[in-house]
Amino acid sequence: DVKVTQSSRYLVKRTGEKVFLECVQDMDHENMFWYRQDPGLGLRLIYFSYDVKMKEKGDIPEGYSVSREKKERFSLILESASTNQTSMYLCAWAGLNQPQHFGDGTRLSIL
Amino acid sequence: GQQVMQIPQYQHVQEGEDFTTYCNSSTTLSNIQWYKQRPGGHPVFLIQLVKSGEVKKQKRLTFQFGEAKKNSSLHITATQTTDVGTYFCARGGSGGSYIPTFGRGTSLIVHP
Repeated sequence: DVKVTQSSRYLVKRTGEKVFLECVQDMDHENMFWYRQDPGLGLRLIYFSYDVKMKEKGDIPEGYSVSREKKERFSLILESASTNQTSMYLCAWAGLNQPQHFGDGTRLSIL
Repeated sequence: GQQVMQIPQYQHVQEGEDFTTYCNSSTTLSNIQWYKQRPGGHPVFLIQLVKSGEVKKQKRLTFQFGEAKKNSSLHITATQTTDVGTYFCARGGSGGSYIPTFGRGTSLIVHP
């Protein structure tokens, strides 16, 4: 099975900090995704990438950017963290029209 | 994006009772995926349905895809405490898109 590894399970940062969330997959898959999950709102897509240096906005990209310099690594960046970005962040990969495979998630708190 | 509506949002059952969650769309679905997320965990893929009227079973779980491909259901027979979690449906990508759209999930609470 392909493994998706997120760098941190829990992270606490301060308002205004630049925050990096890292996601690494151990196979050669092109398609990677970043979601945030909030109670009652389900999973919302922030950004996705279908190849190195390629990125597309999802449903809620505001306040976020991404980086895909290598195929196995997809990073989510909070340029200037705000309290409303406190959430659970999930990284995933998927083949074309195939199910999503998620990492363990990063629970991020912005104080 | 095109939405999938999932009901109910929460469901409390006594252990041994049955449970059903429903997923509805106003447009035809190319496929539907179901996921389970245990408390503190991440969503895990359960099954994908593609054909109109399709029914698939996994032990006590029965998944159905409507004849019109606009709705789907997940039914659990005789719930157990291990069934606790949130169940999500997701409409699969279509027209060359691989971007799924997730429902908001149904949280199942099983009382022993």
